[in-house]
Amino acid sequence: SQKIEQNSEALNIQEGKTATLTCNYTNYSPAYLQWYRQDPGRGPVFLLLIRENEKEKRKERLKVTFDTTLKQSLFHITASQPADSATYLCALESSGGSYIPTFGRGTSLIVHP
Amino acid sequence: DGGITQSPKYLFRKEGQNVTLSCEQNLNHDAMYWYRQDPGQGLRLIYYSQIVNDFQKGDIAEGYSVSREKKESFPLTVTSAQKNPTAFYLCASSPSLGPGGYEQYFGPGTRLTVT
Repeated sequence: SQKIEQNSEALNIQEGKTATLTCNYTNYSPAYLQWYRQDPGRGPVFLLLIRENEKEKRKERLKVTFDTTLKQSLFHITASQPADSATYLCALESSGGSYIPTFGRGTSLIVHP
Repeated sequence: DGGITQSPKYLFRKEGQNVTLSCEQNLNHDAMYWYRQDPGQGLRLIYYSQIVNDFQKGDIAEGYSVSREKKESFPLTVTSAQKNPTAFYLCASSPSLGPGGYEQYFGPGTRLTVT
């Protein structure tokens, strides 16, 4: 069966460190992968999209990698700040041709001052 | 300000009543979506619409209905047939729906509680 796995345990890090979040998937062949940020009680906000032919993408302090052989994406936030504390969701293109992303459950990031 | 709005933010209903959640966008997007989010769960797709007057069932459409009479509006009705309607409902839109991926713009959500 198809699965998108994100660590259900919260990631706790100290301010200034690099946070690394993982998204693993099975039985998908996504043409793209997206990352979103969600704050409590609010809708997700799009951060980055990476396509299958791209290994890495950067935006300011954010970096995403996409390894289609390992079936894994890593999401990095460098020089993390308490304001980065949120839940981060990965989303993959669904199989079956609908082109709609399927979302993982998300990983909570807590950055301590 | 361009964006996507949902109302109300909180909604309380008695069991057995139908309830309609509003979603409006002024982004001129063709595609719109409804998701449901339960605590500790990912977003689950209820319905989506690629274009006006057309919509498709998502993964958990049972007990829900939608309409798309205008490009900017995509209301969701939670019917009494939905067994566990209490949840956080999110509406989203994207410029289009097709290969290559489009970012989704989400509304602020409606938290529905049915007792």
